[in-house]
Amino acid sequence: SQQGEEDPQALSIQEGENATMNCSYKTSINNLQWYRQNSGRGLVHLILIRSNEREKHSGRLRVTLDTSKKSSSLLITASRAADTASYFCATDLRGYQKVTFGTGTKLQVIP
Amino acid sequence: EAGVVQSPRYKIIEKKQPVAFWCNPISGHNTLYWYLQNLGQGPELLIRYENEEAVDDSQLPKDRFSAERLKGVDSTLKIQPAELGDSAVYLCASSAGQGALNTEAFFGQGTRLTVV
Repeated sequence: SQQGEEDPQALSIQEGENATMNCSYKTSINNLQWYRQNSGRGLVHLILIRSNEREKHSGRLRVTLDTSKKSSSLLITASRAADTASYFCATDLRGYQKVTFGTGTKLQVIP
Repeated sequence: EAGVVQSPRYKIIEKKQPVAFWCNPISGHNTLYWYLQNLGQGPELLIRYENEEAVDDSQLPKDRFSAERLKGVDSTLKIQPAELGDSAVYLCASSAGQGALNTEAFFGQGTRLTVV
């Protein structure tokens, strides 16, 4: 079973635009992570945000976490064609020591 | 530094045949995971090891799937007998953190299994 659900399922934007994708989850978490997957490099960790954090930045990535709404968002600024990939959120469920992945958002950046 | 290494990359077998996948995690990583990923879906955890101990195998279909991690390093995942529905990508990951995934996990390229 998948704990998180990403929204939208698919997103197509022009190079240079910003991309925002959201993740909603069902139960309390210790932390939430975002991963990227493309055919060339497999699954790659992007960023981890802990339950007591609200925002985190890494280069062109900005992640927010709202534990009251059980949701997180990933913003990619100034997108590039190389950002074309599927993006997954992964939640570490509090009390279960189990990490579950969401269903993913497929991002296409058009040059 | 070498990443997580999996082999084979691709495997095609007939149903009812056995199959095995191998994973070599990053040196020094205590935690090892096996995930299954169906097309268009996120990875689903099959089993998690802390050193040589399987601490979470609740999602592993134990009637046909088995796994081992001898000496707390390399790991193998076996399916016997394989069914058509087992066709998927099998991912291995490792992390340095103990317990749940509270640190970055590094994934291998996966083994794409096709059962015909």
